[in-house]
Amino acid sequence: GNSVTQMEGPVTLSEEAFLTINCTYTATGYPSLFWYVQYPGEGLQLLLKATKADDKGSNKGFEATYRKETTSFHLEKGSVQVSDSAVYFCALSPSPPGGYNKLIFGAGTRLAVHP
Amino acid sequence: DGGITQSPKYLFRKEGQNVTLSCEQNLNHDAMYWYRQDPGQGLRLIYYSQIVNDFQKGDIAEGYSVSREKKESFPLTVTSAQKNPTAFYLCASSSRTSGIHEQYFGPGTRLTVT
Repeated sequence: GNSVTQMEGPVTLSEEAFLTINCTYTATGYPSLFWYVQYPGEGLQLLLKATKADDKGSNKGFEATYRKETTSFHLEKGSVQVSDSAVYFCALSPSPPGGYNKLIFGAGTRLAVHP
Repeated sequence: DGGITQSPKYLFRKEGQNVTLSCEQNLNHDAMYWYRQDPGQGLRLIYYSQIVNDFQKGDIAEGYSVSREKKESFPLTVTSAQKNPTAFYLCASSSRTSGIHEQYFGPGTRLTVT
C-alpha cells in the first residue's frame, strides 16, 4: 500500500542552522509529493510540491527533490529562522492523476528554532 | 479573497450530543475533504466529496456523517456514536480538474467533548 514515513521530532535548531527533515515513501507508479507546514493552532499550508522524478520543489528558502531511486523527498533549508518553527508534513498523492485527489500524510515533524 | 472558512474555531460539547462543524469554500473547487488530527499524529481522512450530492467514506468514517447539498459547503456532523470525538478537525478542498493534487486547508475547528 501507499505510505509516508517522516523522521521523528522534535527537531531543535539554533537560528541560521541547516535543516533537513527526512521523508521516505512507499507507492506504486509515480505519485506526486508534497510538503505542508502547520503553524500553531492553524490549518495546513502547502509549502512545496513535485510531480515527477528529479523535480525540485522550492518555496521560501525550502527545497525538496523527488528521488525515485531512494523513494525520498527530504526537506532542506540552508538557514532557518525562528519564524520557521512549525510542524512539517510530508504527503503523497498516488498516481494516476485526475479524479479523487487522495493525500496520504506522514505523522509530521515538529521543528523548534531558538534564537 | 478566496479561501476556506471553518467555524467555529473552538467548540465544546457534552458527551452524547451531536455537533455539526461548518466548512465553506469560495475557490470554486469541486472536491472537498474532512480530516481529523490528533496530537502528535498525521491527518486521517474522514469523508470526501468529489461533486455535489455525492460523498464517500474515508479511513475513519464511523461516528461521522456529512452532506454536500451545495458546491461551496461540506458540513461534518460528529455523532454521539463517535467514541473519541475530541480532536482538531480540518476541512480541505481541491480542484478536481487540476493535474496536481494539492489540497487547500481551512484553519480548523478544535472540538472538545466532555
